[in-house]
Amino acid sequence: DGGITQSPKYLFRKEGQNVTLSCEQNLNHDAMYWYRQDPGQGLRLIYYSQIVNDFQKGDIAEGYSVSREKKESFPLTVTSAQKNPTAFYLCASSSHRAKVTEAFFGQGTRLTVV
Amino acid sequence: DQQVKQNSPSLSVQEGRISILNCDYTNSMFDYFLWYKKYPAEGPTFLISISSIKDKNEDGRFTVFLNKSAKHLSLHIVPSQPGDSAVYFCAASRVNAGGTSYGKLTFGQGTILTVHP
Repeated sequence: DGGITQSPKYLFRKEGQNVTLSCEQNLNHDAMYWYRQDPGQGLRLIYYSQIVNDFQKGDIAEGYSVSREKKESFPLTVTSAQKNPTAFYLCASSSHRAKVTEAFFGQGTRLTVV
Repeated sequence: DQQVKQNSPSLSVQEGRISILNCDYTNSMFDYFLWYKKYPAEGPTFLISISSIKDKNEDGRFTVFLNKSAKHLSLHIVPSQPGDSAVYFCAASRVNAGGTSYGKLTFGQGTILTVHP
């Protein structure tokens, strides 16, 4: 089945450690995105990538890094510089060729920093 | 700067009645609007969308209305069902010169809909 897979679903890390969240899609979508959800704030864009080997900062990129070495994969690293990393992280993808360009989301990763 | 706003954090509706969820935007460059539904600890799922060249789009029980002059859109669900209880997000994007949007969405804060049996 085609879709977006985020792993793990729950992740616990100690403060000061970097952590990488995985996102893989087999939808052959060109663009991929990382959003963060906090209570009462909706979804905020962290980074996005429209093609392989290229990515752009979103609205809240500080303390995060990404790579896009393959079309199918867009991992997000939450670095120790991120001041408030505990959140629900959502990965999404979309096709440039679709007229109705809704983004398809993964199931999310709940990151808790202790 | 919140470019997409959902001013009602929650809405409670009786089963069978109409649910109306509202969304306002400030950026006049937005020309494509979407509604997503989200259950706790899951990713949002796409519900319905509307282009700025239209003022209404209907899909089964779901209808989205767009008032460009007021920069306002609304989602109507009728009749409402208990399974509709979820968080609803409004989102907006821009369509490029090629006629496609890259899916880079700006989201509102969400409205929690509760449909009572």
